[in-house]
Amino acid sequence: AQSVTQPDIHITVSEGASLELRCNYSYGATPYLFWYVQSPGQGLQLLLKYFSGDTLVQGIKGFEAEFKRSQSSFNLRKPSVHWSDAAEYFCAVGNTGFQKLVFGTGTRLLVSP
Amino acid sequence: NAGVTQTPKFQVLKTGQSMTLQCAQDMNHEYMSWYRQDPGMGLRLIHYSVGAGITDQGEVPNGYNVSRSTTEDFPLRLLSAAPSQTSVYFCASSGMTAYEQYFGPGTRLTVT
Repeated sequence: AQSVTQPDIHITVSEGASLELRCNYSYGATPYLFWYVQSPGQGLQLLLKYFSGDTLVQGIKGFEAEFKRSQSSFNLRKPSVHWSDAAEYFCAVGNTGFQKLVFGTGTRLLVSP
Repeated sequence: NAGVTQTPKFQVLKTGQSMTLQCAQDMNHEYMSWYRQDPGMGLRLIHYSVGAGITDQGEVPNGYNVSRSTTEDFPLRLLSAAPSQTSVYFCASSGMTAYEQYFGPGTRLTVT
């Protein structure tokens, strides 16, 4: 069965600084990987996805993620964080049956002035 | 397009009461799902449906029932509420598979 680990519960970044959120997955086959963002009191919104091909994927709001099969990782990055990026971020992996997503426990991003 | 709508936004139940959380989508999506979100546990899949008349269990189905009589609606029923079901519930939909899901705003349920 697939699983996702997000080792950081909270991360604080200064506005304008770069950001990297970690995600490690466990899955026997080719993974389908996602990052979602949840603003306070809101539902989740898809930031980006990886299915195959180029291992560096671009998403919305200036985010990107890199798939590294050798490290079973799919880390999310942003070169310059804005105060509006403060939210909770979830990594997820999908199964080959395309029917279930398994989410990590999330990383809460705090942005300091 | 309203996207995915959920009602109610907030609900307080007493132990043993039953209720239905409503979910509707207007995007003609085949796939719909219900998750619960608990602190420190992320989102866990309760039930999902790949089309009208077809439902299946997710990771934490006990205590919940679903049905899918139309493409648009996917209600979640709590038959006999328990304090362990206190959570935030999200409904989501997507075109054909579990990917690229669109989430509703959530229902915050408290069971006393």
